[in-house]
Amino acid sequence: KNEVEQSPQNLTAQEGEFITINCSYSVGISALHWLQQHPGGGIVSLFMLSSGKKKHGRLIATINIQEKHSSLHITASHPRDSAVYICAVRETSGSRLTFGEGTQLTVNP
Amino acid sequence: GAGVSQSPSNKVTEKGKDVELRCDPISGHTALYWYRQSLGQGLEFLIYFQGNSAPDKSGLPSDRFSAERTGGSVSTLTIQRTQQEDSAVYLCASSLGPAGGQPQHFGDGTRLSIL
Repeated sequence: KNEVEQSPQNLTAQEGEFITINCSYSVGISALHWLQQHPGGGIVSLFMLSSGKKKHGRLIATINIQEKHSSLHITASHPRDSAVYICAVRETSGSRLTFGEGTQLTVNP
Repeated sequence: GAGVSQSPSNKVTEKGKDVELRCDPISGHTALYWYRQSLGQGLEFLIYFQGNSAPDKSGLPSDRFSAERTGGSVSTLTIQRTQQEDSAVYLCASSLGPAGGQPQHFGDGTRLSIL
């Protein structure tokens, strides 16, 4: 079992739909990151959070430390949101990031 | 530029050759990380630098892999006697402070292909 698990692995949506990507982890963490990787390979850090909720534009990230679970929400999805979304955690005991396998999101017009 | 810069962007080499991959972090970022992403796989941590020292190199897959960082800035990842399984995208990231509490900024990666 991976330390960081994401669901779903693949997600196809129609433009305008509300999207949720989930991340569960099994270790104690000091922070959780949500990353976006576009087809060209570049990675962008979307959020880093250790509690509660953060919002940036149409993106919302939440984390429940007790349940060891985080969600990434995209409101009013758009084809340009199509990318791989990656959850990563930094364990309290170390410096490294441990990554989920990613969720491939495709938003159709 | 203001971002993390990696070079080369693509590298094709023959099995058995040595390769060097370079990372220029964002100016002033003291923490630097190397990751690897093999085809169809998730990201994998390799090594973390704080300044010029590497407090965590536990992700390096074998002794053929080494990395150094000089002047608290540029880092080089070296792979000796490359094998086909080394083919992957090698990503570098930097952050403003030590491992805690700072977002990581990623470079575009070096796509390494071993023939």
